[in-house]
Order: sequence, then C-alpha cells, then structure tokens
Amino acid sequence: GAGVSQTPSNKVTEKGKYVELRCDPISGHTALYWYRQSLGQGPEFLIYFQGTGAADDSGLPNDRFFAVRPEGSVSTLKIQRTERGDSAVYLCASSLNPYRAASTDTQYFGPGTRLTVL
Amino acid sequence: GIQVEQSPPDLILQEGANSTLRCNFSDSVNNLQWFHQNPWGQLINLFYIPSGTKQNGRLSATTVATERYSLLYISSSQTTDSGVYFCAATTEGGGNKLTFGTGTQLKVEL
Repeated sequence: GAGVSQTPSNKVTEKGKYVELRCDPISGHTALYWYRQSLGQGPEFLIYFQGTGAADDSGLPNDRFFAVRPEGSVSTLKIQRTERGDSAVYLCASSLNPYRAASTDTQYFGPGTRLTVL
Repeated sequence: GIQVEQSPPDLILQEGANSTLRCNFSDSVNNLQWFHQNPWGQLINLFYIPSGTKQNGRLSATTVATERYSLLYISSSQTTDSGVYFCAATTEGGGNKLTFGTGTQLKVEL
C-alpha cells in the first residue's frame, strides 16, 4: 500500500505566523511519530502518538509546538508564532504496533515538510 | 538518554568498492534501524536489526547487542548508494522514540 505521506512538501512563512503540517501514516499503523531534522544533523524526536493519545511529547521544544491525532490516523503538527530557528525539515513516521512484536516496531518515514521561516 | 555514534563521518569510494559503516550505542537497545537518506531527503529503511545478521542484496548488517555496536556492509558500491547513512535506536527505558546517530556521508564516484 501507500507509504507515509506529508503535506505540504515545502512551506515558507514569515516570523510570527502560525503553521500546520499534516501527516498521513501507513494505513493500519497505530503509532505515529514526529521528528525534526536540521541541516547536517540526524532527525530529532518531537512527539509520539499511540492511537489518539500523545504517549510521549518530551521532544517538543516549547509550548509553541503542539500536535494532534484526533481519530488515530492523520496527525497535524501545529507551530504558533514561528521563529527563524524553527526552520528545518519536519519528518513523520509510523509503525504498525510497537507493543505487539519486535518487528512491528519498525518505523517508516515520510518525505518530510521543509519549513522555512523568513 | 542513549548516545549513538557513527563512523566514519565521511567516506568516498570508487564504484565497485566495498565498505563498512559502524554504529556504536551506549545502552541496551530494543530497536535498531539502518536508514539511507537519499539526495532528496527521503529516509529509506534498510534494516531492522536489534541483534543478529541480515542480508539484502549487496547490503548486509550485523548487530552485536552485548558489545553495543552494529555494522553495515556495502559491497560492490554503485553511484546510487551515495547519500547519508543513519543508524537509530530505541531503548527499554526510552520509550519508542528513535535516537539517531550523526550519520555517515557516502559518495560513490565513477
């Protein structure tokens, strides 16, 4: 089936604006993750959903960042009052069920949204 | 949290050469994955390998969990192998979040 999809692929905004980034996980995957990748670095964890609830949001940098997954499928990452330091590629991943068996913990990544804050 | 270190940071190969990339991690892992990030930024799954050895075509990987390292072998390299290779791990007490290494930038030349 289809992989993880993310929209938009690119987003350019001005400092102080609000943005929403969308992630569609692989169908049937119960776990969804958001990561952020800055230039020249590996991705860094932001938040993890199991079903509709945020099981771990320890990676969110501050309260300007918020994410939801109201129906346990699509997720939206929301950034308020954007700052230039928020510029990065935001990656979404999903896994089948991290608690069922080891191999179902494999995370599959989407193509990312490149956010540029001017 | 867990520390993940990769070596070498950069590698240039002639097409057809073989290479070994290393990933060291500081804690016991539940999940260890190897990824290839292509020039367009897409992270492509190579292996899920918290222990043991797996092979897929010209690529193979070995994780020695007791010694806290993993190796990715690339044989008969091709220009399409160019990109950044990441390993990433989750730990028992760290939840399901992947901690990534800093990556190995590979360039394969004709």
